This record gives sequence, C-alpha cells and structure tokens, in this order.
Amino acid sequence: EPEVTQTPSHQVTQMGQEVILRCVPISNHLYFYWYRQILGQKVEFLVSFYNNEISEKSEIFDDQFSVERPDGSNFTLKIRSTKLEDSAMYFCASSDRSENSPLHFGNGTRLTVT
Amino acid sequence: GIQVEQSPPDLILQEGANSTLRCNFSDSVNNLQWFHQNPWGQLINLFYIPSGTKQNGRLSATTVATERYSLLYISSSQTTDSGVYFCAVEGMDSSYKLIFGSGTRLLVRP
Repeated sequence: EPEVTQTPSHQVTQMGQEVILRCVPISNHLYFYWYRQILGQKVEFLVSFYNNEISEKSEIFDDQFSVERPDGSNFTLKIRSTKLEDSAMYFCASSDRSENSPLHFGNGTRLTVT
Repeated sequence: GIQVEQSPPDLILQEGANSTLRCNFSDSVNNLQWFHQNPWGQLINLFYIPSGTKQNGRLSATTVATERYSLLYISSSQTTDSGVYFCAVEGMDSSYKLIFGSGTRLLVRP
C-alpha cells in the first residue's frame, strides 16, 4: 500500500536555526497537510495546501512557517527561526479527496529545539 | 469550528478485556477517522467511518452521524493495543482538514 514518507525521523536543532522538514506524499494525491503534536497533547492542524497554494492555515502557522512543493514529489515545511516551543512531532498527510478517501499520515518528524 | 470530545481520557484494562471508546462531535461531518498512536508516536489509521459500522479483526467502529457520535470497540484486548486512540473529524464547512480530539490513553496490563 502506498504511504506518506517523512524525513528525517528525528531532527535536533539549536534555537534560532532554520529547519526544513520533508515529506513525500502519495503520488496521485493532490491535497497536502502539516500537523503538529506537542508532547502529551493532541494533534493540531497547521496548514493545508492544494494546487500549489495554501488552502487554509491555523493561528499556529505564523510568519516563521512556510510550505513549498519544490518539485512534483516533495512537500516541505520550513521553520525560519526555531524557538524552544517549536519542539514537537510534525506530521505530513495527503489525500486525493475522492469519495470515501481518508487522510493518510506519515510517521512524523520529531523536532527537538535546544 | 467543530468541537471533538473523547471519553474516557484514560483507561486501564486487564489483557483479554473489552472496551468502548467514545467520540462526540458538535456538528455534521464529512469524514471521521480513528487512529492509534503507538509508543513510537506513529499515527496508525484504524478506520475511515463517517457513518455506519466497520470491523477489522478485534476492532470495530460505529458512527451514528445523526446523533453526532462514534464508538470504537476493542475486544479481547492485548498489551500491544496500549497507546493513545484519537478520533478526528472533518466538518461540513468544506475546510478539508481533520480536527482531532484529545484522545483516550489506553493501558492494557498483562
């Protein structure tokens, strides 16, 4: 079964540094998402992306965040200047939005900001 | 926006016991999914179930869309069932995003 792939599985960075989290969605999917889960808390929506532009973003997704689909397969989340509170698990998801189509999630990237 | 409430927040079972997890939501939904988050943090999709009943092995789920709730049944629980179970819904406002509940943390003891 095709799956969403995320790299790296774990990223450690220093406060103030830029990080790029990478995702390869399922190949025929057109809708892409990033979610965040702070340790011990629920999974929160960050942003959705369709047709090469942001469809919707949450209050969490401020100016330090950006997303990009640089080629036909990758979907990236960039955090420009990381803060301690950005430490979390980041999940990428994709969907083809057809009838009876769930969101498929990747295994996540655990970001630790020190 | 749509609200999602899960109960109970925590559940401890003896291996072999059955359990029912509940998810209430505040508005009509296009999509509802149940996930199991394992100890490594991975979200495992269990069911896509905006309405009706589905079964997969020892797990089954029922969503009563008109009454705005969904139930996840775990029968003959095993220690590997431990983890957090999340319900997530997509509202009918066509926002195409899932909103997650706070989860039920399940511990199955041998």
